[in-house]
Amino acid sequence: AQTVTQSQPEMSVQEAETVTLSCTYDTSENNYYLFWYKQPPSRQMILVIRQEAYKQQNATENRFSVNFQKAAKSFSLKISDSQLGDTAMYFCAFMKHGSGNTGKLIFGQGTTLQVKP
Amino acid sequence: GAVVSQHPSRVICKSGTSVKIECRSLDFQATTMFWYRQFPKQSLMLMATSNEGSKATYEQGVEKDKFLINHASLTLSTLTVTSAHPEDSSFYICSAKLDSALRNQPQHFGDGTRLSIL
Repeated sequence: AQTVTQSQPEMSVQEAETVTLSCTYDTSENNYYLFWYKQPPSRQMILVIRQEAYKQQNATENRFSVNFQKAAKSFSLKISDSQLGDTAMYFCAFMKHGSGNTGKLIFGQGTTLQVKP
Repeated sequence: GAVVSQHPSRVICKSGTSVKIECRSLDFQATTMFWYRQFPKQSLMLMATSNEGSKATYEQGVEKDKFLINHASLTLSTLTVTSAHPEDSSFYICSAKLDSALRNQPQHFGDGTRLSIL
C-alpha cells in the first residue's frame, strides 16, 4: 500500500521569501504521479503542480517548483517570492500509473502555510 | 475548463434527515468521481469511488447504507447521507477525473459542502 507523509503540520514564511514544504512517500510502484494541491481558507482544492515519476526533470509552474528525488521517495515543494495569497493548507498526493490506475489519490496529512506581511 | 460544480455549498438540518449532495462535471465527462470527507485542519479522507453505471467502491470503514452514492450519468454523481446525525457533520468534497486516453489526468474538485446536523 502507498503512503504519503508530510512531517510539517505548520509553517510560516515572510512575504517575498522562499519556503520549502516536505513530502515523502512509500510505494513499490515504479511509475506513478505526484501532485501538490493547495486548499486556501475558502476550502477549494487547487492543483498547484504535478510530476510524472518517469521524468527526471523537476516540474516548475511560475513561482512553484518541486525537488523530486525518486530514489529517496521525496517530493518537496518550493514556493519562491511568497505572497499573502499563498496562505493555505498544502497537500502532497500520490497516484498510481498504468492499468491499475483508478485515478485514486493518496493524500498526505497536509501542511498549513502562513505567509506573513 | 474542467469545472466541477458541487451543490449545495452549505446544509443545516435536523437529526434524522437525509441529505443529498450533487457533484456535476460541467464541461467534461467523468466516468469516475470521488467523494471525500474532511474534518477541520485534517486531510481529505476518501469515502468512495463512484463509477458511472455501476456500484460505488467504498473504502474500508465507510458504511455504504449510510452514504448512498449514485452515478447515473457521465456528468453527475450524488451522495446521500441517510438519517444524518450530529456525528455526520463535516465538510464533504467531490472530485471528478476527466475521461481521457491519457492516464495522468488529475482530479478536479468541487468547492465542497459543509454539512451541519443539529
